[in-house]
Amino acid sequence: GDSVTQMEGPVTLSEEAFLTINCTYTATGYPSLFWYVQYPGEGLQLLLKATKADDKGSNKGFEATYRKETTSFHLEKGSVQVSDSAVYFCAYSGGGADGLTFGKGTHLIIQP
Amino acid sequence: DSGVTQTPKHLITATGQRVTLRCSPRSGDLSVYWYQQSLDQGLQFLIQYYNGEERAKGNILERFSAQQFPDLHSELNLSSLELGDSALYFCASSARGEKYNGYTFGSGTRLTVV
Repeated sequence: GDSVTQMEGPVTLSEEAFLTINCTYTATGYPSLFWYVQYPGEGLQLLLKATKADDKGSNKGFEATYRKETTSFHLEKGSVQVSDSAVYFCAYSGGGADGLTFGKGTHLIIQP
Repeated sequence: DSGVTQTPKHLITATGQRVTLRCSPRSGDLSVYWYQQSLDQGLQFLIQYYNGEERAKGNILERFSAQQFPDLHSELNLSSLELGDSALYFCASSARGEKYNGYTFGSGTRLTVV
């Protein structure tokens, strides 16, 4: 069935390090892809999205490119900050449907 | 403020009791989703409503039920509570069709069963 696989955490980095959080999906059709972020004690917030192949979503220094050939949507940031510490969820929605399938989340810890 | 309002923010209750969680979706959104988040199970989809009608069911226990009212707010009812029901319960809403842009989440209700 359809699913989303994320790298398991926690991922611990030092401030200003380069970040990659891997996400791959298994889905039929042409899904839209999303990254959500959950800061401590809060709900999930949409971080970025891409709706078709080769699209790049970007926000707050984070980027992710929709790679249909590898069914991936890896999240990257060139220089992380302590304030980026959060849980990051990859998700997709099937073409024409409005349901989201979430990955299990990756806990990111940035140390000063 | 995401536009999705959940009440209460915190709830502490005893085993065997029943509670009701409330969600008001973002203005204009017709779809409401309920999720349970716990440390061991992650984010679990419970149920979806669209314009008052149940649309999809996930891993929702028979002790749990939900509904969406004509004014589009939704309630999640949890009964015969067990210690394992302690979790964060999130509501999300979304638009449909061309206006669809993923989900907007509320800040959640933290339920503690003692």
